[in-house]
Amino acid sequence: AQKITQTQPGMFVQEKEAVTLDCTYDTSDQSYGLFWYKQPSSGEMIFLIYQGSYDEQNATEGRYSLNFQKARKSANLVISASQLGDSAMYFCAMREARFSGNTPLVFGKGTRLSVIA
Amino acid sequence: NAGVTQTPKFQVLKTGQSMTLQCAQDMNHEYMSWYRQDPGMGLRLIHYSVGAGITDQGEVPNGYNVSRSTTEDFPLRLLSAAPSQTSVYFCASSSGGGPYEQYFGPGTRLTVT
Repeated sequence: AQKITQTQPGMFVQEKEAVTLDCTYDTSDQSYGLFWYKQPSSGEMIFLIYQGSYDEQNATEGRYSLNFQKARKSANLVISASQLGDSAMYFCAMREARFSGNTPLVFGKGTRLSVIA
Repeated sequence: NAGVTQTPKFQVLKTGQSMTLQCAQDMNHEYMSWYRQDPGMGLRLIHYSVGAGITDQGEVPNGYNVSRSTTEDFPLRLLSAAPSQTSVYFCASSSGGGPYEQYFGPGTRLTVT
């Protein structure tokens, strides 16, 4: 079963507007972490933001915030004031923490964001 | 501090050839992983390691071998290359399995003809 679902293969946003990239996840563990990565056309993977399952506040990092809705199992990335440099692939990922130890990061299929001037 | 390094950056193989993709990190990280990235598929986990001497399979392990004899190195071996293994390969490491950022190498673009 797919653990991370990103339903938007592609998104467009006007420069300076805010955009939300959707991510839903599936886990039966109580302890887990959710990550967002950015992959520009140059190919490198850039860590953006992290949310722990026990964190009460939504994570924020500059223009990035994570809208964490635990009951709905969603961890949407919000980018405020979009810039042309935000055009990239965005991946949501999850790491589960098991009694036997932590598990590797599992990724969604990604959303390609295009920012229009 | 080089972070995570991968060699080579590009490689072309013929079907049936074998090769090793190298990955090294200088951050003393326990966790290391190999992913492959194919268009529309995101990153899929091939193998991972939670420490020297310990490896485990990920989602798509067939056709690949790994070993972890040192903390620093985590090579990925293709035993007999197939066109289906044409992909971009990423190595990653993190200091633990918890809320730790996973650092990625720059990737290796492999083409099998």
